[in-house]
Amino acid sequence: RKEVEQDPGPFNVPEGATVAFNCTYSNSASQSFFWYRQDCRKEPKLLMSVYSSGNEDGRFTAQLNRASQYISLLIRDSKLSDSATYLCVVNRRSNYQLIWGAGTKLIIKP
Amino acid sequence: DAEITQSPRHKITETGRQVTLACHQTWNHNNMFWYRQDLGHGLRLIHYSYGVQDTNKGEVSDGYSVSRSNTEDLPLTLESAASSQTSVYFCASSEDREGEQFFGPGTRLTVL
Repeated sequence: RKEVEQDPGPFNVPEGATVAFNCTYSNSASQSFFWYRQDCRKEPKLLMSVYSSGNEDGRFTAQLNRASQYISLLIRDSKLSDSATYLCVVNRRSNYQLIWGAGTKLIIKP
Repeated sequence: DAEITQSPRHKITETGRQVTLACHQTWNHNNMFWYRQDLGHGLRLIHYSYGVQDTNKGEVSDGYSVSRSNTEDLPLTLESAASSQTSVYFCASSEDREGEQFFGPGTRLTVL
C-alpha cells in the first residue's frame, strides 16, 4: 500500500460546480498535511496547508480526519482556471520527509 | 524577489554519460531537495540537504549524487546516465524541514 493515495481522476466537472477530493495516508504519526497544485508541465505550488480544525481560503476548504487518516479538499464555484492536478502531501514523522501523492487531475469544462 | 532556478531546462544525453543538473535558490533556505516526477508516481525524493556540507539519501538515490558547498546551490549529478533516469527533475527549498517547499521550474531530462 502506498503511504499516500489519491484517486488519479480525471474529474471532469462543469464550471460553477462543487468538487471534492480525498487523500488517504498510512502513517498515523503524520503531523503536517498540505495540498499543492500543479499545472501541466509546471512546478508544484502550495495551495494550502491542512490544519486539524480544518481551514478555508476563499472557495477552497481543506479538512483533516485523523481517525480515518484522510484529508480532503473541497472546491466551490469551480472556475476554468482551477483545471490542474492537485497533489496531497503528508509528512513522514520518522525522518521529516514529505511524501507526495501521485495527484488528482481536475478538468473544469465551460 | 527570492527565487529558485534550475538549469538546463531541457537536456538530452546518451546512456553512460555523466550529467549535472544545477539548482540555485536565493531564499537563503537551509533545506534543499531533489525530486523526480514520473507518470503514475508522486514526486519521489532523490537527495536532500539540511545545510552546507550536509547531504542525505532519499528513497530513489541510486545512480545520483549531490554536494552542498554553499547555502544557495545543490547540484545533482547522474554519474552514468541510464534510460530509466529519463524524467522531470524538480529542485525545491524550504525554511522549515516539514514546511512549505518552493520549487524550481524543473529540468526535463531524456537519456537515449
